[in-house]
Amino acid sequence: GEDVEQSLFLSVREGDSSVINCTYTDSSSTYLYWYKQEPGAGLQLLTYIFSNMDMKQDQRLTVLLNKKDKHLSLRIADTQTGDSAIYFCAESPWRYGQNFVFGPGTRLSVLP
Amino acid sequence: DGGITQSPKYLFRKEGQNVTLSCEQNLNHDAMYWYRQDPGQGLRLIYYSQIVNDFQKGDIAEGYSVSREKKESFPLTVTSAQKNPTAFYLCASSTRQLNTEAFFGQGTRLTVV
Repeated sequence: GEDVEQSLFLSVREGDSSVINCTYTDSSSTYLYWYKQEPGAGLQLLTYIFSNMDMKQDQRLTVLLNKKDKHLSLRIADTQTGDSAIYFCAESPWRYGQNFVFGPGTRLSVLP
Repeated sequence: DGGITQSPKYLFRKEGQNVTLSCEQNLNHDAMYWYRQDPGQGLRLIYYSQIVNDFQKGDIAEGYSVSREKKESFPLTVTSAQKNPTAFYLCASSTRQLNTEAFFGQGTRLTVV
């Protein structure tokens, strides 16, 4: 089947950079996404990257895509306590129509 | 304001009962989805619908049913056949365009008592 994999936990100190990694399986995915989930809430789109790009930067967020290795990463610069949440990587394989396949989520804990 | 609304936020069900979770969107989206989230696990797709009057089973459809009679609404029924229904349920919607994003509701936490 299709699997999107992520490490489950990450702890960083406030002010440091966080890097959350993801591997996906379907090379037909045109867009790859990062979503954020705060406790007891739904998911919110943080950013996405088109599969023909290597990097996308949006303020404190940097997304890197290695299409050859099917590896996606999200870097959060100057991590703040408000960044503590679960971060989901997702792909949208064409054979599912516009369906999305999510990874298990990485729980980011920011320590003061 | 446009958005996607799930209700109720918390739901308690006795064993053996069916229960229906509501999901409404006013974003004019064609596609709608239901996911189940368990602690420490990702989102697992239950059902999805790309268009009114049509829906498809996801990875864990057993014990669930849906309908899509209106574009705005995609209710999920958790039946008594679902062996372990206690979970956090998330509804989402999207366009059918290539670069779409999924918009999520705030979720319904279902507990079987």
